[in-house]
Amino acid sequence: KQEVTQIPAALSVPEGENLVLNCSFTDSAIYNLQWFRQDPGKGLTSLLLIQSSQREQTSGRLNASLDKSSGRSTLYIAASQPGDSATYLCATSGGSYIPTFGRGTSLIVHP
Amino acid sequence: DVKVTQSSRYLVKRTGEKVFLECVQDMDHENMFWYRQDPGLGLRLIYFSYDVKMKEKGDIPEGYSVSREKKERFSLILESASTNQTSMYLCASSLQELDEQFFGPGTRLTVL
Repeated sequence: KQEVTQIPAALSVPEGENLVLNCSFTDSAIYNLQWFRQDPGKGLTSLLLIQSSQREQTSGRLNASLDKSSGRSTLYIAASQPGDSATYLCATSGGSYIPTFGRGTSLIVHP
Repeated sequence: DVKVTQSSRYLVKRTGEKVFLECVQDMDHENMFWYRQDPGLGLRLIYFSYDVKMKEKGDIPEGYSVSREKKERFSLILESASTNQTSMYLCASSLQELDEQFFGPGTRLTVL
């Protein structure tokens, strides 16, 4: 059964830093990997979806990469801002078609 | 933009009550999902549906049932609410299998 791990569980950085969030998965036979953002008490907002055939996807200050062979994905946030403070989750979709979610990384960007 | 809406943001119910949580999506998506999210446990799939009147059990279906009579609407039913069903409930939809998932705003349910 797929297991998705996100390390660290929590991260606090000063505004302006470039930062990397990690997502690792045990079964490399995935179809895609999706990154989400969740603000406290709210639903998940889709950030980026990377298909298994892709290496990376970019949206604004966000860049997500995927290395299937090593079972890893990273979310790079450039020039972080206080408004980026949220929990970031990754999820893989594989043969069962049902996504497997990580527990998330809670990010605080302080002014 | 895809929009997924949920009937309530906050709900307080008493033990033993029958509870209905409704989810509606406006983009003609085939698949719909119900999750619950608890601190330390992450997101857990309760039920999903890949077509009208079709449903499949997720990881934790006990104590829940679902209904999908129309493509755009997916209801989660707690037949007899219990305190251990106090949680954040999240609905999601996707166009087809393996497509991007879109989530609703969530319903925070408290069972007293």
